[in-house]
Amino acid sequence: DAGVTQSPTHLIKTRGQHVTLRCSPISGHKSVSWYQQVLGQGPQFIFQYYEKEERGRGNFPDRFSARQFPNYSSELNVNALLLGDSALYLCASSLARGQGEDYGYTFGSGTRLTVV
Amino acid sequence: SQQGEEDPQALSIQEGENATMNCSYKTSINNLQWYRQNSGRGLVHLILIRSNEREKHSGRLRVTLDTSKKSSSLLITASRAADTASYFCATGMDSNYQLIWGAGTKLIIKP
Repeated sequence: DAGVTQSPTHLIKTRGQHVTLRCSPISGHKSVSWYQQVLGQGPQFIFQYYEKEERGRGNFPDRFSARQFPNYSSELNVNALLLGDSALYLCASSLARGQGEDYGYTFGSGTRLTVV
Repeated sequence: SQQGEEDPQALSIQEGENATMNCSYKTSINNLQWYRQNSGRGLVHLILIRSNEREKHSGRLRVTLDTSKKSSSLLITASRAADTASYFCATGMDSNYQLIWGAGTKLIIKP
């Protein structure tokens, strides 16, 4: 079975541009969470989606948005990119809302975004 | 903001030795989880301990939790070169659909 897949694996963007990152959860998993990990730090929670609705949002500006599709895949969008948005963006899936917090998440390999 | 703080920030030991990493956190929790990350890629879930548990084992891993001190430790016994990675603790809280993470311990196993 495929795990959590993220695309692209690497991306270089210029300040001010827009970026879309994609995530496909494990088959049957309905909850997707997004995390940002800056080099040398632990991940920071951005969003959680469950059944196509936003269930949680971290302390990130409105430039960050996401959505979940009927097949439970998800997109993370970041507008007006800043140098500080350079990070590894991680997607995690779990079977149901709250299950990742209760039983542990399965993470994708991440998308490394570099803003120049 | 970071909830947990791992200690030490970096640890280098010989293969075969035991490695101990500590995690402290600030608020009450529902559970505490440990993850491994190789070379800045995806995180792998290792073990989860609930707030009403004090110790848990999984293979060569042993986790303890002291809720009165708001701290946890991860022990890896008989370390192997393949254990070289960064290790993170993350806390889950009731009614909160996110994990809050520490900054990690970088573990290097020397052959």
